[in-house]
Parts: sequence; structure tokens; C-alpha cells
Amino acid sequence: GAGVSQSPSNKVTEKGKDVELRCDPISGHTALYWYRQSLGQGLEFLIYFQGNSAPDKSGLPSDRFSAERTGGSVSTLTIQRTQQEDSAVYLCASSLVQGVDMNTEAFFGQGTRLTVV
Amino acid sequence: AQKITQTQPGMFVQEKEAVTLDCTYDTSDPSYGLFWYKQPSSGEMIFLIYQGSYDQQNATEGRYSLNFQKARKSANLVISASQLGDSAMYFCAITNAGNMLTFGGGTRLMVKP
Repeated sequence: GAGVSQSPSNKVTEKGKDVELRCDPISGHTALYWYRQSLGQGLEFLIYFQGNSAPDKSGLPSDRFSAERTGGSVSTLTIQRTQQEDSAVYLCASSLVQGVDMNTEAFFGQGTRLTVV
Repeated sequence: AQKITQTQPGMFVQEKEAVTLDCTYDTSDPSYGLFWYKQPSSGEMIFLIYQGSYDQQNATEGRYSLNFQKARKSANLVISASQLGDSAMYFCAITNAGNMLTFGGGTRLMVKP
């Protein structure tokens, strides 16, 4: 597609249920990022992928959070046993891997708004 | 590790005036890139401007310019001739050779008519 696509756009789930959030990056973008944004707050880094590997998983808030990326393309962020504090907008972004002295602008999806009730 | 600090949680500016949004960074990498993004109330993230660490000149994109002071590790965004549509959250970000992209906490800009 032309841009980063995230699904679903909105998700309401009951506390304790598992959820899966999907990100379809721009074709050819090898870097993929997941961020979480609570209302009116900044972007909290969760995880990023270079190809299929995740060099940095330090941002995942707990072991209930996991992410994978297959085929160097689509990524899934899974939250197990959801809690109310997991409610937020989950943003995905992708970028080309170029020299750092080149503009490696990250393109963002529209986000998934997760509400845990 | 790399870090971005935006010390202004919120700012007001009069329409048609210029405004500077502060950003300082910390990184141990010799090469890095600096970005500014705008996030209006609709929630989308809009790329504004990029500055490479080896760029000799400050980046400019229309009404946006980046005041890059490498020795001070600052990358302030200057918006000239503010418009009502500039009201939004603004995020500064840094990336390094590993393509790790780190954002600051953001500044909410409000343009007064």
C-alpha cells in the first residue's frame, strides 16, 4: 500500500483478554517501530525491528507484551491478559534503512486505539 | 543510549509571529539524525524537517527551520509567521546508525488569533 496500515483502528476489550494489533509497513521499509501514546502524552517506545529481528526490546512494559515480524514485512503486537492501564493509542512506523546522515524519515500509521474495560 | 528533552510542555504564540520550540539531545553516537514531527488533534504524525549531524547548514522547509547547535546539542524548531493551523503537539526525535528512533515528550503549541 501507499502508507503504513494499522488494524484494527479501534479495539475495545475486556480486562484479562488477549489482543493482537497489526502493522503493515510501507513496502521495502526494513525498519519498523512500535510506540504507545496515552492521551495528551508523548510517544513511549516499545520495540523496533530491523528486518525480522528486534535489536531492542527494552521498551516492552512487561512480559505480557510481545511482538513479532515475519517476512520482513507485517508485524503483530500482542498484549496478553490486558489491563486497564494498557489503554492507549498504539502507533506503528516504518522507515528505509539508509546511512544515518541521510533523511530516514519514519512514516506513521493512523494508530490503533485500545480501550480496556 | 540516546535521549531527547523538550522542556516546554506548552506554549502560546500570536498568529503571524515566529516561535521557537526547544529540543536538546544526548547521544554517544558520532553520527545521528534529528527530526521534528507535528501531531494535530486528529492524531496523525506529520514529518516536518530533518537535520543530519554532519550538515553544515541549518535545515529549512518552508516556514520551518531548524536551529542546529551541535556543540550545545540543541536542535530547536523555528516556525515563522505562525498560523492557526500550526496549533498541535510537536515532537523532536533522534536516530542513530542502528536506526533506533527516540522521541521527546513533546510541546503543545497554541496559536492565538
